[in-house]
Amino acid sequence: QKEVEQNSGPLSVPEGAIASLNCTYSDRVSQSFFWYRQYSGKSPELIMSIYSNGDKEDGRFTAQLNKASQYVSLLIRDSQPSDSATYLCAVSPSNQGAQKLVFGQGTRLTINP
Amino acid sequence: EPEVTQTPSHQVTQMGQEVILRCVPISNHLYFYWYRQILGQKVEFLVSFYNNEISEKSEIFDDQFSVERPDGSNFTLKIRSTKLEDSAMYFCASSELQATNEKLFFGSGTQLSVL
Repeated sequence: QKEVEQNSGPLSVPEGAIASLNCTYSDRVSQSFFWYRQYSGKSPELIMSIYSNGDKEDGRFTAQLNKASQYVSLLIRDSQPSDSATYLCAVSPSNQGAQKLVFGQGTRLTINP
Repeated sequence: EPEVTQTPSHQVTQMGQEVILRCVPISNHLYFYWYRQILGQKVEFLVSFYNNEISEKSEIFDDQFSVERPDGSNFTLKIRSTKLEDSAMYFCASSELQATNEKLFFGSGTQLSVL
């Protein structure tokens, strides 16, 4: 069974610091990786996608992928209170074509002013 | 930015009743999905739909569930005889293309409560 694992937290980070969120996945042939932000009671919102090993930066967000270790992470620089949310890691199995995403349970992040 | 809209935002029903959850995907999107999230649990894939037929479904999507695109804009999820364990937030999503790197747009969800 394909699994995506995250530390459920809560993770508390002071405002202005770097928040680091981690995710591991079990399906070695997975090709596409996503980070979603979910505020309580709301729908998932795509923050970052990454498909190749290495780093991908978008503003304050950096996604890191290591396929050999089956590990993907999200760094949030200069954390703001508005970044407080649950962050979902999602993986798209390569042989499925359509977006049959497998989600982790999410990491609850709290940014303390 | 275009968005996926879902109605109703909340639905309360009695066990054994039928419910229909409605979604209007983004107009030029061709691929449609339903996901659900039981309170405190992971977001789970239910079904994908393309060209008026189911392209893939999960183990959760049993004979009690069905999907339909009754017209050019709506996409519905029907649960024929609801169970207590069907209580969850149901998210509709759509994408323009079928590709593993294609962005999924999620609707705001329908909170289903089965009593």
